[in-house]
Amino acid sequence: GAVVSQHPSWVICKSGTSVKIECRSLDFQATTMFWYRQFPKQSLMLMATSNEGSKATYEQGVEKDKFLINHASLTLSTLTVTSAHPEDSSFYICSAREWGTDTQYFGPGTRLTVL
Amino acid sequence: AQSVTQLGSHVSVSEGALVLLRCNYSSSVPPYLFWYVQYPNQGLQLLLKYTTGATLVKGINGFEAEFKKSETSFHLTKPSAHMSDAAEYFCAVSAASGSARQLTFGSGTQLTVLP
Repeated sequence: GAVVSQHPSWVICKSGTSVKIECRSLDFQATTMFWYRQFPKQSLMLMATSNEGSKATYEQGVEKDKFLINHASLTLSTLTVTSAHPEDSSFYICSAREWGTDTQYFGPGTRLTVL
Repeated sequence: AQSVTQLGSHVSVSEGALVLLRCNYSSSVPPYLFWYVQYPNQGLQLLLKYTTGATLVKGINGFEAEFKKSETSFHLTKPSAHMSDAAEYFCAVSAASGSARQLTFGSGTQLTVLP
């Protein structure tokens, strides 16, 4: 089956630093990738939609200058949390939609803790 | 616009008993419907999906769901619960076509399986 990886799986950083999270589709091409945020015991909230070679589309209320998304190739998207603060601590999950289908495959998630 | 309602944030069943997780959706266009499972600190795994065709969909791990357009429902069932089924389950909807093809998730149902 289609596999999506995320790296790192967890990260702890100091307030004010930037953190980059990678999302890769390992065995398929993904023209569209999605970034979600999940708080404990809650559902997934879509942050942005990333299309290869173009600017990401951010959901209302998501700061695009704080959450930088780059979709440089058909298998890689990155999310950079800039100047992280404790309120950015969360579980970040990416997904990739396989080209030609309507199925999203999810990565294992990245646990970000900002001290 | 699309939305998903999952009735019951927590469901408990005995091992070997029927599992029934409820999902109702609203969509102004023909929907694609999905069930995902999430184990602690992991990403989401696709259980099954409905796009077109047969309304009874079979997925992995013995789960199945039936699309009932008249009831706008897509309930998830499994005849006999196993301890390993304990997890969080999310129902999701997307538009069949067009720009609104993002997934919209329900709030999730935590399934507990009692020995």
